[in-house]
Amino acid sequence: AQKVTQAQTEISVVEKEDVTLDCVYETRDTTYYLFWYKQPPSGELVFLIRRNSFDEQNEISGRYSWNFQKSTSSFNFTITASQVVDSAVYFCALTSGGYNKLIFGAGTRLAVHP
Amino acid sequence: SQTIHQWPATLVQPVGSPLSLECTVEGTSNPNLYWYRQAAGRGLQLLFYSVGIGQISSEVPQNLSASRPQDRQFILSSKKLLLSDSGFYLCAWRGLAGNGVGETQYFGPGTRLLVL
Repeated sequence: AQKVTQAQTEISVVEKEDVTLDCVYETRDTTYYLFWYKQPPSGELVFLIRRNSFDEQNEISGRYSWNFQKSTSSFNFTITASQVVDSAVYFCALTSGGYNKLIFGAGTRLAVHP
Repeated sequence: SQTIHQWPATLVQPVGSPLSLECTVEGTSNPNLYWYRQAAGRGLQLLFYSVGIGQISSEVPQNLSASRPQDRQFILSSKKLLLSDSGFYLCAWRGLAGNGVGETQYFGPGTRLLVL
């Protein structure tokens, strides 16, 4: 069975702090895809990144970076120099096989205070 | 570019009333379409997906049904709402957004449903 665990329910930081959101996944498939989405207070899910299981290169996009480690089945997300606009719920998700079912973690609520 | 619309944005309905939520996608053809539900403070659960007109797959048994009468239209319905149907309903389409990312699911703005 596939599963995504985001153990951190809520994180609170002060602006300009770095923060890492953890994501651990379980799958028996050898080919799979991992995602991060951001859900701001408006509710819409905003796509952030997709990573293929065969590509373990870490990725950096501005203040965002992602660390994919197959050895520990983790796909962690780091925000550097956090800003108030980063306040949102962040979801990690997994899909494989027919690609039609995204398995979401429970989400991590990030609050960035000025 | 592709856009996805959902309406209504919010809805308050009495228990036992019918429901119809609509989702439409623009800028793409024959997309895979999805309905998710997010209960308050919870993660997202896939309810239905469709790979083409008239083709619906249900992920969980429930009080809801889905239909796809047109290529880019996906409708979520219920004949009689339950209190437990309250939640945030998100429609998504799967495709290539043209940014080199690969196939990804992209979500609409959602409908907040409160059943009283």
